[in-house]
Amino acid sequence: ETGVTQSPTHLIKTRGQQVTLRCSSQSGHNTVSWYQQALGQGPQFIFQYYREEENGRGNFPPRFSGLQFPNYSSELNVNALELDDSALYLCASSLGRGSTNTGELFFGEGSRLTVL
Amino acid sequence: GQQLNQSPQSMFIQEGEDVSMNCTSSSIFNTWLWYKQDPGEGPVLLIALYKAGELTSNGRLTAQFGITRKDSFLNISASIPSDVGIYFCAAQNYGGSQGNLIFGKGTKLSVKP
Repeated sequence: ETGVTQSPTHLIKTRGQQVTLRCSSQSGHNTVSWYQQALGQGPQFIFQYYREEENGRGNFPPRFSGLQFPNYSSELNVNALELDDSALYLCASSLGRGSTNTGELFFGEGSRLTVL
Repeated sequence: GQQLNQSPQSMFIQEGEDVSMNCTSSSIFNTWLWYKQDPGEGPVLLIALYKAGELTSNGRLTAQFGITRKDSFLNISASIPSDVGIYFCAAQNYGGSQGNLIFGKGTKLSVKP
């Protein structure tokens, strides 16, 4: 069984640039969620994808966008980067969504983004 | 918005001691979960609770879903050095379209051998 993998593990960008982070979900999982974890904080929900459609969004501006592909892998895109976007971005996969979503998430190791 | 208040923020204990941490909210939730995060890793699920009053164990870990559905606690018995890490409570209300988790700010556990 393959776990959740994320790439890149670390990256540095400058303010105003754009970034794309990638995630491969755990084998058999059809739902992918993205979380932002600032230093010293708990993860904060960005959005969730199920069957290639956004299925719920947290309190993040539209410059945070995503995609899910037919093989359930996913991308997180952030445009017009700001200094406060510096954080660990976690991808989590799970089975089911909405009423069938148990909250049991399997997280990747994250992508550490630094914005200068 | 909905918020989870987790305490204590950090704990320094001796190996072999028992540990207790809790999480409270002003909102009601259908599901409470506890995750552990090691440095450089993503959170890993320890225990999931789905019913008010439910008490669930996983080895040396025991967690309870508060009867008011607004709180949960996690106990670790006979701590060992590998228990070191950050413990997060998380909660959600499933049944809607979101299925997202709200996390607390974490309890950092340090264990002295």
